[in-house]
Amino acid sequence: AQSVTQLGSHVSVSEGALVLLRCNYSSSVPPYLFWYVQYPNQGLQLLLKYTSAATLVKGINGFEAEFKKSETSFHLTKPSAHMSDAAEYFCAVSNRDDYKLSFGAGTTVTVRA
Amino acid sequence: EPEVTQTPSHQVTQMGQEVILRCVPISNHLYFYWYRQILGQKVEFLVSFYNNEISEKSEIFDDQFSVERPDGSNFTLKIRSTKLEDSAMYFCASSGPGTGTSFGPGTRLTVL
Repeated sequence: AQSVTQLGSHVSVSEGALVLLRCNYSSSVPPYLFWYVQYPNQGLQLLLKYTSAATLVKGINGFEAEFKKSETSFHLTKPSAHMSDAAEYFCAVSNRDDYKLSFGAGTTVTVRA
Repeated sequence: EPEVTQTPSHQVTQMGQEVILRCVPISNHLYFYWYRQILGQKVEFLVSFYNNEISEKSEIFDDQFSVERPDGSNFTLKIRSTKLEDSAMYFCASSGPGTGTSFGPGTRLTVL
């Protein structure tokens, strides 16, 4: 079975500050890991994914995530927050790139002016 | 860029009624899914569909639920007799080898 745990249901950052969203996974097979973003009243948009190639993955909107096997982590970062980053972020795990996803509980990001 | 589309965006129904949620996956994708998100909770897997049959389903996906791909483009989720607890956002998704999973915008189902 696979699962992810997102630490912190709510993160508040100042505009221009670092955004750090934490995700730890549990998987009995090499995992595929994903971050999705959900803007209010919208669907899920893929930010980035790890599929066993480079451990540092760059995504859209300036986000990146690093796969650390020793820590079973896949934390999402952005160096400088923008007001438009306010959204809910979901970490997800799968055992293939094209297989069902198991989602974390989500982290809501608010950005202060 | 191709997208997954879903209709309707919002469905209101009375408890006990049947509803059909419709989706058009990305055309060259082979795997199709339904997920749901109850308000304030995590996104949950319901069912996956491949090669014209269910490949996996969760314990949520009981006999009240069914899926169908009636033609070459549509993918539907039917709930036979809706309950209050079926109220949620339902997301259709599709994927292909190496593509990751693309999600539709969702259908918000409200059961009264």
